[in-house]
Amino acid sequence: AQRVTQPEKLLSVFKGAPVELKCNYSYSGSPELFWYVQYSRQRLQLLLRHISRESIKGFTADLNKGETSFHLKKPFAQEEDSAMYYCALSANSGGSNYKLTFGKGTLLTVNP
Amino acid sequence: DAMVIQNPRYQVTQFGKPVTLSCSQTLNHNVMYWYQQKSSQAPKLLFHYYDKDFNNEADTPDNFQSRRPNTSFCFLDIRSPGLGDAAMYLCATSRGDPEQFFGPGTRLTVL
Repeated sequence: AQRVTQPEKLLSVFKGAPVELKCNYSYSGSPELFWYVQYSRQRLQLLLRHISRESIKGFTADLNKGETSFHLKKPFAQEEDSAMYYCALSANSGGSNYKLTFGKGTLLTVNP
Repeated sequence: DAMVIQNPRYQVTQFGKPVTLSCSQTLNHNVMYWYQQKSSQAPKLLFHYYDKDFNNEADTPDNFQSRRPNTSFCFLDIRSPGLGDAAMYLCATSRGDPEQFFGPGTRLTVL
């Protein structure tokens, strides 16, 4: 069975400081990892996925299979980055049947 | 805008009184998911439909049922809500690839 662990429930940084949200996973197959974000009073939405290797809103995440990690990083945090961040792992349960397993989330607060 | 819509946003029901939550989508996605999310916890998958094929998670209680009458709509039925079923219920869709698109959720209160 797959598992996603986000060790920090809360993370508080000052504006302009670097931020790293940690995510570790366990999965016997080849994982596909995502970061989803939920801003205040908004729906859960995709921030980035590891296969695209994009930088979205200044955030990047690298899949480290050796350490089974997919940490989310941003060099200079902005106040508008304050949100709940969920790391998620997608497991293929056959054909095009994909299921997401979420971590418990990290609430990021960026202080002015 | 194509999107995932959930109605109502807030639902109050009484202990043991059946309740139905609704999800609709204009994305024409073939997969629809229902998640339960309790306070400070991860969203937990209850079940999903791949087209008309229903896929139940092994640990989803029998109290939870779902219907998908057509591509656009999917319903979550809770036959006899208990206090422990109070939660945010999230609907999501996908094209049959790993990325999912979420609705705003319905917060269920059980009195």
